[in-house]
Amino acid sequence: QVQLQQWGAGLLKPSETLSLTCAVYGGSLSGHYWSWIRQPPGRGLEWIGEIDQSGRTNYNPSLKSRVTISVDTSKNQFSLRLTSVTAADTAMYYCARVSVFGMATYWGQGTLVAVSS
Amino acid sequence: DIVMTQSPDSLAVSLGERATINCKSSQSVLYSSNNENYLAWYQQQPGQPPKLLIYWASTRESGVPDRFSGSGSGTDFTLTISSLQAEDVAVYYCQQYYTSPRTFGQGTKVEI
Repeated sequence: QVQLQQWGAGLLKPSETLSLTCAVYGGSLSGHYWSWIRQPPGRGLEWIGEIDQSGRTNYNPSLKSRVTISVDTSKNQFSLRLTSVTAADTAMYYCARVSVFGMATYWGQGTLVAVSS
Repeated sequence: DIVMTQSPDSLAVSLGERATINCKSSQSVLYSSNNENYLAWYQQQPGQPPKLLIYWASTRESGVPDRFSGSGSGTDFTLTISSLQAEDVAVYYCQQYYTSPRTFGQGTKVEI
């Protein structure tokens, strides 16, 4: 059974860098995409981007200038960095395993990140 | 970007009754080479991450009760819950994975 466990800082000040990591248990990184998706409080889902085992990435153009997704195959983990955060980046952030076609089959439990001065 | 629009935003359904949620994409998500619709449905219960219910517009994920069904093609899709149960209270999202960026509908809240 695949499980995704995620962690990272939950409170940031404006202009700081958001950093989250997701560890994959019960499965390999190969053969899938690994994605970050966020959900502002009380709102819908926004796809941030994804990465495969080889490190190939695909980002949402709306966030591309500030986003970096990386993978550490030795630890079976992948990570999200989002620079220059503002209050608009306050959201629940989810990591997810995505099939090669694009549907998200397994999700992490979510990390609430709040940006406030 | 492909814009996904769901209707209604919310609906109240009695236990045992049918719930129908619609999703419309701003362009077709039907891939002609394999005749598949790149459309998924997710259920998000309160305080939980989303859960994949249906993909390829009509294929149920393993373990999903058969009261959930998906239909449609091209730009118009429907999620139907044939007989609403208490545990189906949730927000439901459609998502296109036809092209990047992958985009979601705004969600439909189903209540009893």
